[in-house]
Amino acid sequence: TQLLEQSPQFLSIQEGENLTVYCNSSSVFSSLQWYRQEPGEGPVLLVTVVTGGEVKKLKRLTFQFGDARKDSSLHITAAQPGDTGLYLCAGEIQGAQKLVFGQGTRLTINP
Amino acid sequence: DTGVSQNPRHKITKRGQNVTFRCDPISEHNRLYWYRQTLGQGPEFLTYFQNEAQLEKSRLLSDRFSAERPKGSFSTLEIQRTEQGDSAMYLCASSLVVGAVTEAFFGQGTRLTVV
Repeated sequence: TQLLEQSPQFLSIQEGENLTVYCNSSSVFSSLQWYRQEPGEGPVLLVTVVTGGEVKKLKRLTFQFGDARKDSSLHITAAQPGDTGLYLCAGEIQGAQKLVFGQGTRLTINP
Repeated sequence: DTGVSQNPRHKITKRGQNVTFRCDPISEHNRLYWYRQTLGQGPEFLTYFQNEAQLEKSRLLSDRFSAERPKGSFSTLEIQRTEQGDSAMYLCASSLVVGAVTEAFFGQGTRLTVV
């Protein structure tokens, strides 16, 4: 059973388009992180969200934490080929002390 | 470079051999995690340490796997009698827990291939 479900698992779009990736769970998280991973490398932390309803922006990337702290979304505006990669959400379940990961969304931006 | 460091980056071994990986965390971080990642999947939790204490082990961690973190600094992950199913990327991460927030920073991983 996957504690964090990401959708879509694969996404291929053209440069300049917008996209949203979703991360959903039935569990409440103390905090939730988004990572980006290149082939053969470790995940790189993009952002941490903590408060329900929180919105954070990182250039063309917008991250939102659900009001109930059970879900999150990543929106990319005007996608560029450099955005290509595996996007992972990870969260620390309340009361637990480990990060659990979603299965990832493999994003391809075509020039 | 003050990030998380993992060695070796790549390891090819014959089935049945033992292998050991090393992770050097960010120096002030008190928590250290090991994850395993197979192609096309997200990282799967294996175990974690708070300082030198190993606080949780996943059911994925069979008796052939052992992890240590002597003196609460670097950590090693040993796999005994390797099997082809052990082929994966082994990731180490460290974090400094502040309140309810855990931000984990990952190393570049060790890719294990068992032939």
